[in-house]
Amino acid sequence: EPEVTQTPSHQVTQMGQEVILRCVPISNHLYFYWYRQILGQKVEFLVSFYNNEISEKSEIFDDQFSVERPDGSNFTLKIRSTKLEDSAMYFCASQGPIEKLFFGSGTQLSVL
Amino acid sequence: GENVEQHPSTLSVQEGDSAVIKCTYSDSASNYFPWYKQELGKRPQLIIDIRSNVGEKKDQRIAVTLNKTAKHFSLHITETQPEDSAVYFCAALRDQAGTALIFGKGTTLSVSS
Repeated sequence: EPEVTQTPSHQVTQMGQEVILRCVPISNHLYFYWYRQILGQKVEFLVSFYNNEISEKSEIFDDQFSVERPDGSNFTLKIRSTKLEDSAMYFCASQGPIEKLFFGSGTQLSVL
Repeated sequence: GENVEQHPSTLSVQEGDSAVIKCTYSDSASNYFPWYKQELGKRPQLIIDIRSNVGEKKDQRIAVTLNKTAKHFSLHITETQPEDSAVYFCAALRDQAGTALIFGKGTTLSVSS
């Protein structure tokens, strides 16, 4: 069964550093998402992406965040200057022609 | 925007009992309602979903009901087993590709044997 893959599985960074989280969505999917989950809390929507542009974003997705699809397969989330409160599990998801979202296994980001 | 409320936040049952988790949503335009199961340290996994043109859907021990008028939907697990222990999230989505799937806060289900 096709899967959404994410790398790295764990990322440790210093406050103020830039990080790039990577995702490879399911190959025939057209809609891509980033969600985050702070430990013990709910899954929070960050941004959705379609046709090489952002289609929706939440209040969390401020100017420190950006997304890109640099080639036909990768989908990245960049955090420009990380803060302690950015520490969370970041999930990528992709969606095909029907509504079902499939999640990747996540990147645990720890900002020190 | 959409807001999804979920309760209870924790639920403890004995093996073999039924478990019910309830959610309400605010956006009447939402018409797709999935349920995800998340085990510790793992990704959310879709377990069942329902669309607004259907009132109930069943898959073995799991069922979901939807009341569109009241804007609430529920997950029912019968004959619970210890491996059902996990966090369960409900979610709601408008029928528009690329829009946000909004999650409830989750219910931690513990099934003791």
